[in-house]
Amino acid sequence: GESVGLHLPTLSVQEGDNSIINCAYSNSASDYFIWYKQESGKGPQFIIDIRSNMDKRQGQRVTVLLNKTVKHLSLQIAATQPGDSAVYFCAENMVYSGGGADGLTFGKGTHLIIQP
Amino acid sequence: DTAVSQTPKYLVTQMGNDKSIKCEQNLGHDTMYWYKQDSKKFLKIMFSYNNKELIINETVPNRFSPKSPDKAHLNLHINSLELGDSAVYFCASSQDLVRSYTGELFFGEGSRLTVL
Repeated sequence: GESVGLHLPTLSVQEGDNSIINCAYSNSASDYFIWYKQESGKGPQFIIDIRSNMDKRQGQRVTVLLNKTVKHLSLQIAATQPGDSAVYFCAENMVYSGGGADGLTFGKGTHLIIQP
Repeated sequence: DTAVSQTPKYLVTQMGNDKSIKCEQNLGHDTMYWYKQDSKKFLKIMFSYNNKELIINETVPNRFSPKSPDKAHLNLHINSLELGDSAVYFCASSQDLVRSYTGELFFGEGSRLTVL
């Protein structure tokens, strides 16, 4: 079954406001947690990652927070812009054991809608 | 230049047919992947391929077979197509197996397969 999931399937925010997208995970053994952005008709694109021994990492207008106590990951986007409209996926770097493929495990995705 | 390119972008075919999707990456990466994205946007890994080592996700039917003529190419062959195979298939590449680093994947733009 899935080990990474999102709380809200759709999030609508006003342009210029901050957005927070949440994600829950269940595999404590993952080394990295990653956020991807998928625009309509395109493939997912890497945004930012965080190592499991960190609790916060900042990028350009984005911040990822990791709370290992409650197995929660969030992506904060500051001053959202129309170009931020997309589906956002959290993913974890987890090695399958016995019969699985190496790769990322993706959550279900949250559709971020930016209102003008 | 496109980093990861897939062809065709759209593919409509009848049940029972055999079809292929091609993928090429010009990033010099050692690892390539195939992911399947269903109608609910859920992304699931199908295969990873690294230095001639193919790792298959145990849930993938054996009607699906990846073929890699060289490090820059990983094609996907599907035999006896079924209605449930309709999805968007994404090719991706990474510098190395995700088990050994953060897990930044570079995705192609996807190939939408519709089985009638």
